Amino acid sequence: NAGVTQTPKFRILKIGQSMTLQCTQDMNHNYMYWYRQDPGMGLKLIYYSVGAGITDKGEVPNGYNVSRSTTEDFPLRLELAAPSQTSVYFCASSSRGGQPQHFGDGTRLSIL
Amino acid sequence: AQTVTQSQPEMSVQEAETVTLSCTYDTSESDYYLFWYKQPPSRQMILVIRQEAYKQQNATENRFSVNFQKAAKSFSLKISDSQLGDAAMYFCAYEKNSGNTPLVFGKGTRLSVIA
Repeated sequence: NAGVTQTPKFRILKIGQSMTLQCTQDMNHNYMYWYRQDPGMGLKLIYYSVGAGITDKGEVPNGYNVSRSTTEDFPLRLELAAPSQTSVYFCASSSRGGQPQHFGDGTRLSIL
Repeated sequence: AQTVTQSQPEMSVQEAETVTLSCTYDTSESDYYLFWYKQPPSRQMILVIRQEAYKQQNATENRFSVNFQKAAKSFSLKISDSQLGDAAMYFCAYEKNSGNTPLVFGKGTRLSVIA
């Protein structure tokens, strides 16, 4: 009964480093999403995917990359980390459009 | 582009009382979905309620209900018999029914519950 699992939960990066945020879901959902949440703000969509092999940009994709090789996994890659990418990152999934999204617990990322 | 506006950054309510959180949205579509999500201090995002735009009947989930006014593009959330566990950030969200258009979130309303 895991749902959406994100790793790591916390991470500190130095400017210019790269890392991958992992996201996996066990609900066989086709749709997956990555959001970022800055302090006191709502969620902004970074990238989303409607199925394996299909990805699309959201509102704030610059500085990030994604891939979707399997239904279960949707990793988010940060290249050349910048202080502006300090945020809490959420992965979510849904069975299809219009259905409730199931969220992971988030990854708090600090870039110093 | 669609936008979602939550005009109340913060609200408070006495325990056992009723509170209403406001949400308006801007769209030219007629077929869409609306959601309220709750984010307690634990940071987890939890679905509160979902409304299909083509259904005139307002959605309800136990103590939570909505007032959906399609013509006014308004989607308010009413919490009855407020409990301490209701204290959280509440986000209103809109999704066009296109099969490939993701959620748009409002900036949220922080609800405090006073014992």
